[in-house]
Amino acid sequence: EIVMTQSPATLSVSPGERATLSCRASQSISSDLAWYQQKPGQAPRLLIFGASTRATGIPARFSGSGSGTEFTLTISSLQSEDFAVYSCQQYKNWPLTFGGGTKVEIK
Amino acid sequence: EVQLLESGGGLVQPGGSLRLSCVASGFSLSTYTMSWVRQAPGKGLERVAGSTADGGTTFHADSVKGRFTISRDNFKNTLHLEMNSLRAEDTALYYCAKNRPLQSGLLFDYWGQGTLVTVAS
Repeated sequence: EIVMTQSPATLSVSPGERATLSCRASQSISSDLAWYQQKPGQAPRLLIFGASTRATGIPARFSGSGSGTEFTLTISSLQSEDFAVYSCQQYKNWPLTFGGGTKVEIK
Repeated sequence: EVQLLESGGGLVQPGGSLRLSCVASGFSLSTYTMSWVRQAPGKGLERVAGSTADGGTTFHADSVKGRFTISRDNFKNTLHLEMNSLRAEDTALYYCAKNRPLQSGLLFDYWGQGTLVTVAS
């Protein structure tokens, strides 16, 4: 099983600033990585797949990068609606696995 | 518009049973692989079960194998998760998710809001 590790667990950022979130895979997953956004009481939302392709309707301030074992999600200028938990998921190997999540909170 | 609405969660004693349901709208369930994904308090997401479009192939995580069973009724556009022999560690928010196939695996492209299962005496 591929283990996904996210860091930091919590990221404190001021509105308008950039947020950089990391996700590491325990073995190479090429670019088979997705990012999701979770807010309390709401359905999780797919943000990024293929490590860098934005899903339909996702604003351009969200960008993903990386390949192999190291990946990054960047939110270029945080808006109020972006404060949430972000999780990565690998789909290179079965079983599909997720990281533990990074909570982006208001500084 | 794709919508997934889960129901059936609640408080149950250890060893008890629950049946979760997920009603899909805005698409035909018979066309897609579907999954149940859970999130325990303070933990990450875990895919616990999956079912191919026709229900012919299913997946159950080792953590629930032999206790949980995924099934579907494509005529009613409904996905189910039968949960037996529940344990305290099964306490979690359970999400129904629609899968999008890619060349190498599956994405979870639409999710419901979840139904809470609490196992406690």
